Amino acid sequence: KAGVTQTPRYLIKTRGQQVTLSCSPISGHRSVSWYQQTPGQGLQFLFEYFSETQRNKGNFPGRFSGRQFSNSRSEMNVSTLELGDSALYLCASSPGRSGTAYEQYFGPGTRLTVT
Amino acid sequence: DAKTTQPTSMDCAEGRAANLPCNHSTISGNEYVYWYRQIHSQGPQYIIHGLKNNETNEMASLIITEDRKSSTLILPHATLRDTAVYYCIVRVDSGSARQLTFGSGTQLTVLP
Repeated sequence: KAGVTQTPRYLIKTRGQQVTLSCSPISGHRSVSWYQQTPGQGLQFLFEYFSETQRNKGNFPGRFSGRQFSNSRSEMNVSTLELGDSALYLCASSPGRSGTAYEQYFGPGTRLTVT
Repeated sequence: DAKTTQPTSMDCAEGRAANLPCNHSTISGNEYVYWYRQIHSQGPQYIIHGLKNNETNEMASLIITEDRKSSTLILPHATLRDTAVYYCIVRVDSGSARQLTFGSGTQLTVLP
């Protein structure tokens, strides 16, 4: 099976712009979670989508949003970028069934730099 | 989810067993212990999980104390490629939420 893919791998944006990141989960997986990783805050949960619905949300401002399509692919969007949004954004896919919380497979991440 | 405490860093000689401890003294009866690792600049990778019995897979062994307040991840024959940050996470394994709460983890450095 192909793993989780994320595009683009690297991105440079200017403060105030908006950005969209994409994640393709493992075939058959219906749950996609997004995480932000920074040196100061570590790995932090952003949100999770399951069957096109947001199922869980972390403590991030409304500038961070996401969606999931019928084929389980997911996008996350960050509007009005701030310097502090510079981070590695990771996507994880999971079957999503009860009792499979351990089955989370992470993609390589998108490295976003805001200047 | 219960809080976990791990040492900040550890070294291990290549070929020797690496034993990574995790303290989770407030763990609840239905919470599992998960271990993930993150090799530099890659996404985290699932290693193993357990409830109360010791577990072993092709990557590692997980030893959970009888009172479940602590656990140890064992990499039996560490290689240079095992150098990574290792995260111990405690959470329930039921319901719909897939959120993982990562702490600071242990930076394991395998030395040649």
